[in-house]
Amino acid sequence: DVKVTQSSRYLVKRTGEKVFLECVQDMDHENMFWYRQDPGLGLRLIYFSYDVKMKEKGDIPEGYSVSREKKERFSLILESASTNQTSMYLCASSTRSRGDFSYDYGYTFGSGTRLTVV
Amino acid sequence: GQQVMQIPQYQHVQEGEDFTTYCNSSTTLSNIQWYKQRPGGHPVFLIQLVKSGEVKKQKRLTFQFGEAKKNSSLHITATQTTDVGTYFCAGRVSGTYKYIFGTGTRLKVLA
Repeated sequence: DVKVTQSSRYLVKRTGEKVFLECVQDMDHENMFWYRQDPGLGLRLIYFSYDVKMKEKGDIPEGYSVSREKKERFSLILESASTNQTSMYLCASSTRSRGDFSYDYGYTFGSGTRLTVV
Repeated sequence: GQQVMQIPQYQHVQEGEDFTTYCNSSTTLSNIQWYKQRPGGHPVFLIQLVKSGEVKKQKRLTFQFGEAKKNSSLHITATQTTDVGTYFCAGRVSGTYKYIFGTGTRLKVLA
């Protein structure tokens, strides 16, 4: 089974701190994603990556950056944490489909990191 | 921007009753996926629909993709307490590997 591992289950940080959330997948997936999940808002895409050293902004990238130096690792960075970034952060990975998308096996999510910024 | 709305937001049913959640996109989707998230857990992939009008079944779960590929539904027959959780649809943005997730429907099943 594909495993997506997020480094911390719970994290408490102070306002203004630089925060690193780490995600590692073990199945050689090309695509990796960072979402945040908030009640009533569903999952919102922050950043995603299709390949090493490649990144693209999602729907809510402000206040975040990412790093993908190795294929298996995708890091989310909160440059200066603020209280409105208190949320559940979910990392996901997927394999690249073969053009017609009929071989798309869906995302595999990590267990999430619940970040509280105080 | 592209949006995927889901209704209802919450649903409480008695065990044994049926349940349906609906997913509507503002634009045509290449395909749609469904996920289930148990309380305290993370989303788990259930199924993918690709073709216009496609219907797929998984035991008591029936998934449909609309003819115009802008809407989808998940129907659960005779709910059980194990069905509790939040169900998300996710539509693929044409030409990308990016999915837009719906807001989710939280299902509670009363025994």
